[in-house]
Amino acid sequence: DIQMTQSPSSLSASVGDRVTITCRASQSISSYLNWYQQKPGKVPKLLIYAASTLQSGVPSRFSGSGSGTDFTLTISSLQPEDFTTYYCQQSYTTPRTFGQGTKVEIK
Amino acid sequence: QVQLVQSGAEVKKPGASVKVSCKASGYTFTNYAIHWVRQAPGQRLEWMGWINAGNGNTKYSQKFQDRITITRDTSASTGYMELSSLRSEDTAVYYCARDVVVTPSRFDYWGQGTLVTVSS
Repeated sequence: DIQMTQSPSSLSASVGDRVTITCRASQSISSYLNWYQQKPGKVPKLLIYAASTLQSGVPSRFSGSGSGTDFTLTISSLQPEDFTTYYCQQSYTTPRTFGQGTKVEIK
Repeated sequence: QVQLVQSGAEVKKPGASVKVSCKASGYTFTNYAIHWVRQAPGQRLEWMGWINAGNGNTKYSQKFQDRITITRDTSASTGYMELSSLRSEDTAVYYCARDVVVTPSRFDYWGQGTLVTVSS
């Protein structure tokens, strides 16, 4: 199975900060990488697919980059509703594995 | 609008089976796939398997291979996930999610989740 590792596992930031979350795959997955946001007790929401394509309706402050084994999710200016948990997921092969999550907390 | 509506919460005893349904609306059911993902309390999302709703082909995670069955009823636009030989570690929220059948794969719509509690 392809292992997905996110860093950091948690971070503290303030409204308006630029935040970057990293996701590393245990082998090359080309650009088959998705990012999801999950609020407590809620359903995961697709933010970015194919490493850098913004899902329809997602604010443009979210962006993604990377290919091969290393990927990043960037939030250009944190908003109050962005303080929650983010997961990466590889869609290169089955099983479709997820990272352990990165919790973005208010500083 | 696209919706995936799952069946309600279940409480099961160890060794029993559970079958969760996922009714789709707002799109052509057979043009997409349905994946099943679970999340135990405080844990990461865990992929269990998927079905191509058009041709019925399935693929399961090796972890669940011997006790999971994913099916669909095209006439009802509904997918199903059955998990047998339940144990306490299977206590989790179970989600269905829609996926395109062409690359790049992504889960663009999710069901609301079904809590399955396994307890004696």
